[in-house]
Amino acid sequence: GNSVTQMEGPVTLSEEAFLTINCTYTATGYPSLFWYVQYPGEGLQLLLKATKADDKGSNKGFEATYRKETTSFHLEKGSVQVSDSAVYFCALTLYGKLTFGQGTILTVHP
Amino acid sequence: KAGVTQTPRYLIKTRGQQVTLSCSPISGHRSVSWYQQTPGQGLQFLFEYFSETQRNKGNFPGRFSGRQFSNSRSEMNVSTLELGDSALYLCASSGNRGGPEETQYFGPGTRLLVL
Repeated sequence: GNSVTQMEGPVTLSEEAFLTINCTYTATGYPSLFWYVQYPGEGLQLLLKATKADDKGSNKGFEATYRKETTSFHLEKGSVQVSDSAVYFCALTLYGKLTFGQGTILTVHP
Repeated sequence: KAGVTQTPRYLIKTRGQQVTLSCSPISGHRSVSWYQQTPGQGLQFLFEYFSETQRNKGNFPGRFSGRQFSNSRSEMNVSTLELGDSALYLCASSGNRGGPEETQYFGPGTRLLVL
């Protein structure tokens, strides 16, 4: 079946540090890939997406590139802010169903 | 454009009761999906409706059911509640073509506590 694996968390960084959250996937077919973010007490917000190999999704300084050869979609940001503290979910979709990773808690300290 | 709305936002029920949750999708969206989020199991897909028909279903018992109305609004029902049904229930809607790669936009969720 389809699955998504994210790096173990939680991740704690100082403000302005570089962020990488690893995500790899297994899928039968050609999925679209997403990163969603969840702030405390809220639902999921779409952060970025990529629909085919070598596509780069970007938003609010975050980037991720769809790598078919390594089945990966790692999230990066060059300089994190305290306001980026949240839970980040990597996900894939095939046939209308989203499959999520387990989520990575990010805490950014001033 | 208004986002996905879910009602109620919070619910407390006791074991054995049933509950109905409501979701209004983004205007023009015809696909509505439901997900359960728990600390132990993470985010799990319940089912998806498109044009009033269930198109996709996850691995949940028959106590979990749903429906979609002609205006694309959807309801989810859980009968004979169990303690393990305590969770955040998220609704998501996606576009009017129903393509498998379309982006799903989430509501704020309904937090259900079963005592």
